[in-house]
Amino acid sequence: DAGVIQSPRHEVTEMGQEVTLRCKPISGHDYLFWYRQTMMRGLELLIYFNNNVPIDDSGMPEDRFSAKMPNASFSTLKIQPSEPRDSAVYFCASSWTGNQPQHFGDGTRLSIL
Amino acid sequence: GENVEQHPSTLSVQEGDSAVIKCTYSDSASNYFPWYKQELGKRPQLIIDIRSNVGEKKDQRIAVTLNKTAKHFSLHITETQPEDSAVYFCAASEAAGNKLTFGGGTRVLVKP
Repeated sequence: DAGVIQSPRHEVTEMGQEVTLRCKPISGHDYLFWYRQTMMRGLELLIYFNNNVPIDDSGMPEDRFSAKMPNASFSTLKIQPSEPRDSAVYFCASSWTGNQPQHFGDGTRLSIL
Repeated sequence: GENVEQHPSTLSVQEGDSAVIKCTYSDSASNYFPWYKQELGKRPQLIIDIRSNVGEKKDQRIAVTLNKTAKHFSLHITETQPEDSAVYFCAASEAAGNKLTFGGGTRVLVKP
């Protein structure tokens, strides 16, 4: 199994631009999670999906952030417009079912100038 | 919601010694407690987990203990090696659904 696949691995863009992060979960996993990691705030859950349906988006910082999961093998996290404080590593993770181990992707290191 | 506190934030040990990391959680309904290891620039990787119906679990040099009454759980690493140097995160899962709340992390340095 290829594991959770995220793209791009690195993204550098200017403030105000739209940023789209992509994630392919492990095949057969029903849960998909988006996390943000910063030195100041640690690992924060932004949103998670079950069977492609958003279950909890209480961690999404503000309306500039949106996430979709159009099918079981693909999810996007979009930031529009981006700001320098959005700079972080964004991880996607998936799990087979409730209370089962989450497997993380390699992350996207996002820098907003 | 759930709140997870992790201590210490940094830990330096001599190779061969033991390392202990402690976490407390606030939601008594939490029932799943994984530990992740994150090396510099890499993704978090699950190293061991424990569920609320078990008090202790061991896997080679690592072990976890859980005290549900006191709402705390610990990671023990014995015979530490330089490759154990990393940041370790504890987490707790709320009873409803699969939402994990992470502790702040412990940076472990094993000195040869």
